[in-house]
Amino acid sequence: QSVLTQAPSASGTPGQRVTISCSGSGSSVGSISVHWFQKLPGTAPKLLIYRNNQRPSGVPDRFSGSKSGTSASLAISGLRSEDEADYYCAAWDDSLSAVVFGGGTKLTVL
Amino acid sequence: QVQLVESGGGVVQPGRSLRLSCAASGFTFRGYGMHWVRQAPGKGLEWVSLISYDGSKKYYIDSVEGRFTISRDNSKNTLYLEMDSLRAEDTAVYYCSRYDGSLDALDIWGQGTMVTVSS
Repeated sequence: QSVLTQAPSASGTPGQRVTISCSGSGSSVGSISVHWFQKLPGTAPKLLIYRNNQRPSGVPDRFSGSKSGTSASLAISGLRSEDEADYYCAAWDDSLSAVVFGGGTKLTVL
Repeated sequence: QVQLVESGGGVVQPGRSLRLSCAASGFTFRGYGMHWVRQAPGKGLEWVSLISYDGSKKYYIDSVEGRFTISRDNSKNTLYLEMDSLRAEDTAVYYCSRYDGSLDALDIWGQGTMVTVSS
């Protein structure tokens, strides 16, 4: 069972702004860095956000991340059909000495 | 370009062994920690194991501790995952990933290799 909790699904219409949340224990999300990955079927996960709110080069600024206490969020603005994917948060858990992933949120673009 | 290519997956009977490989290219392999992450059919991502840049530190998820062994050969730019006593619940796509310390994140991923444990 994941120690990071995500809602299983989210949806939005093109152009809309959606937010995906990730909550966890102090030993995981409370740690310094929360990361976000996008996963399309049949493809490798893609790093979207690192260190809570940093975007790797090449990731559009429509994607943004934030963290407050033991909760983190991924926001996607100007929603596009190609954003339809599974989104995962992840963090290092000091108590487990392991990387933990959230259960994933399936984003549907209506 | 920076690339990770996994190989070694296949169909194996419960209790048997399998070794996965991950060939790295386009970057200084010996300078990076490496991870294995898996995704079972219809399930989410699950971290499996990590190895430090020099192989001195290794960590595993509890469910594979004692059955899986992560290793690396920096002279061959290759990461390995030796999987013993395989179980049906180990069935998944296995991805190798590079840990970039400057980002503190898994920034490069391979395309994955499928492991099916079935009699």
